[in-house]
Amino acid sequence: NAGVTQTPKFQVLKTGQSMTLQCAQDMNHNSMYWYRQDPGMGLRLIYYSASEGTTDKGEVPNGYNVSRLNKREFSLRLESAAPSQTSVYFCASSEAWPFYNEQFFGPGTRLTVL
Amino acid sequence: TQLLEQSPQFLSIQEGENLTVYCNSSSVFSSLQWYRQEPGEGPVLLVTVVTGGEVKKLKRLTFQFGDARKDSSLHITAAQPGDTGLYLCAGAGETSGSRLTFGEGTQLTVNP
Repeated sequence: NAGVTQTPKFQVLKTGQSMTLQCAQDMNHNSMYWYRQDPGMGLRLIYYSASEGTTDKGEVPNGYNVSRLNKREFSLRLESAAPSQTSVYFCASSEAWPFYNEQFFGPGTRLTVL
Repeated sequence: TQLLEQSPQFLSIQEGENLTVYCNSSSVFSSLQWYRQEPGEGPVLLVTVVTGGEVKKLKRLTFQFGDARKDSSLHITAAQPGDTGLYLCAGAGETSGSRLTFGEGTQLTVNP
């Protein structure tokens, strides 16, 4: 039972390059999330998927796209990376009932955009 | 937009001291969660409180949900170096579906 897994763990991109961050969960959760974490700014929601087949914007969606590939997998794509997207990215999953959407996080992807 | 304000932002104490971290909002939450995050890792859930006035204890950690469900506190008794980490509160709004609102976190350092 791996919980939430993310790949890659580290990535360095040049401005303008694209990449996809992968996330998978094996807890059969309906909801999945992508956050970014920057110093002094806590966790900010980029996109989320309340259930398979749906995706919605969070607080900071500009410059990102997502795909809920199936119930297990939720990917985040940067089409044209910018230095402002340098951050640590976390994927999480949750189940609403009876678990109050308690979130389980992956280990994170540390992204640097030069 | 629901906001959660945590205080203090940074806390550095000696082993054995007690401390309290606060999480405040002007909004009502249907439930509130506390997470701890260690360097290089993702946040890990510590507790969920759902009833106004509820108190939960986890060893030396005591969590309280305000009567009006707008605020919460985390009290640590006799802090140990292993308690060092970033503590995050997160609230589920009554109309926010599966989304959580996270506070900015309290960075706790417990010195031996």
